[in-house]
Amino acid sequence: EIVLTQSPATLSLSPGERATLSCRASQSVSSYLAWYQQKPGQAPRLLIYDASNRATGIPARFSGSGSGTDFTLTISSLEPEDFAVYYCQQRSNWPPPWTFGQGTKVEIK
Amino acid sequence: EVQLVESGGGLVQPGGSLRLSCAASGFTFSSYWMSWVRQAPGKGLEWVANIKQDGSEKYYVDSVKGRFTISRDNAKNSLYLQMNSLRAEDTAVYYCARDAPSSGWFFDYWGQGTLVTVSS
Repeated sequence: EIVLTQSPATLSLSPGERATLSCRASQSVSSYLAWYQQKPGQAPRLLIYDASNRATGIPARFSGSGSGTDFTLTISSLEPEDFAVYYCQQRSNWPPPWTFGQGTKVEIK
Repeated sequence: EVQLVESGGGLVQPGGSLRLSCAASGFTFSSYWMSWVRQAPGKGLEWVANIKQDGSEKYYVDSVKGRFTISRDNAKNSLYLQMNSLRAEDTAVYYCARDAPSSGWFFDYWGQGTLVTVSS
């Protein structure tokens, strides 16, 4: 099973600041990695797929990069609605299981 | 508008059974792989199972193999998860999610979730 490790666990930032979230895989997942945002009491929302492609309707301030084992989600300038938990997920292996990282909470400083 | 609506959650004793349902609308259900993903209280996400468009392929996370069964009824636009021999560690919100080929086969739509609590 591929293990995804996210860092940091918590990121304390102010609106307008840049957020950089990391996801590291225990083995190469090529570019088969996605990022999701989850707010309290809500289902996750797909932000980025295939490492760097924004999902439909996702603002341009969200960007993804990386390949192989190291990936980054960048929020260029935090808006108030961006404070949430972010998860990475891989689906490089077949058959499943697909796995998620443990999450990074972006909180207001 | 794509909608996924789960139902069937509730309180069940250890060793008991529960059947979750997910009603899909707003898209051609029979054209998509579908998945169940769960989230224990205060914890992260865990993929549980998925099923091919025609039901001919099914995959499970190891922790539920032999206990959970995923199925679908394309005529009713519905996805199911039969959960047997439930354990305390199965307590979670269960989401159904659509596997989207247009989004790298990641989950582009999710339901609102249904809570399963396994406790005596």
